[in-house]
Amino acid sequence: DIQMTQSPSSVSASVGDRVTITCRASQGISSWLVWYQQKPGKAPKLLIYAASSLQSGVPSRFSGSGSGTDFTLTISSLQPEDFATYYCQQANSFPPTFGQGTKLEIK
Amino acid sequence: QVQLQESGPGVVKPSETLSLTCTVSGGSISSYYWSWIRQPPGKGLEWIGYSSYSGSTNSNPSLKSRVTISVDTSKNQISLKLSSVTAADTAVYYCARSLIMGDYDALSLGYWGQGTLVTVSS
Repeated sequence: DIQMTQSPSSVSASVGDRVTITCRASQGISSWLVWYQQKPGKAPKLLIYAASSLQSGVPSRFSGSGSGTDFTLTISSLQPEDFATYYCQQANSFPPTFGQGTKLEIK
Repeated sequence: QVQLQESGPGVVKPSETLSLTCTVSGGSISSYYWSWIRQPPGKGLEWIGYSSYSGSTNSNPSLKSRVTISVDTSKNQISLKLSSVTAADTAVYYCARSLIMGDYDALSLGYWGQGTLVTVSS
């Protein structure tokens, strides 16, 4: 299985801050990388697919980049509704695997 | 807008079979991949398996011998059966649909159900 490692595991930030979360795959996955946002008690929500494609309806302050083994999710200016847990997932090969999650908390 | 709703028993006894159904409304089952994912309380996400629109299935090797996934197009439902459950199978179980139609990018999950908590306990 391909291992996905996110960093940091948690981060504290303020409204208006720029935040970057990284995700590293244990082997190359081209651009087959998805980012999800999960709020407590809710299902994950797809934000970014194919490493950098913004899902319809997702605010443009979210962006993704990377290919191969190293990827990033950037939130350009944090809003109150962005405090949540973020997961990356490789969609290159079966079984799809998720990172352990990054919890974004209010400072 | 497609909606997914999981249903099934909230408690299953150890060694028994967990059975869940995902009912799809607002869209057809055809042409998409349908997956089951689970999340133990306070932990991360684990992919259980999928069924394609054509009926082909694949399950996580860590669970493969215990998992059965099937699609009933007449009822617009996807089912999950997980046999010989233990406490380690206690989790919120989600069904989800691939983002786009067809075989390309079948593993990006664009639509999710709200999830259902299943507790394994005697």
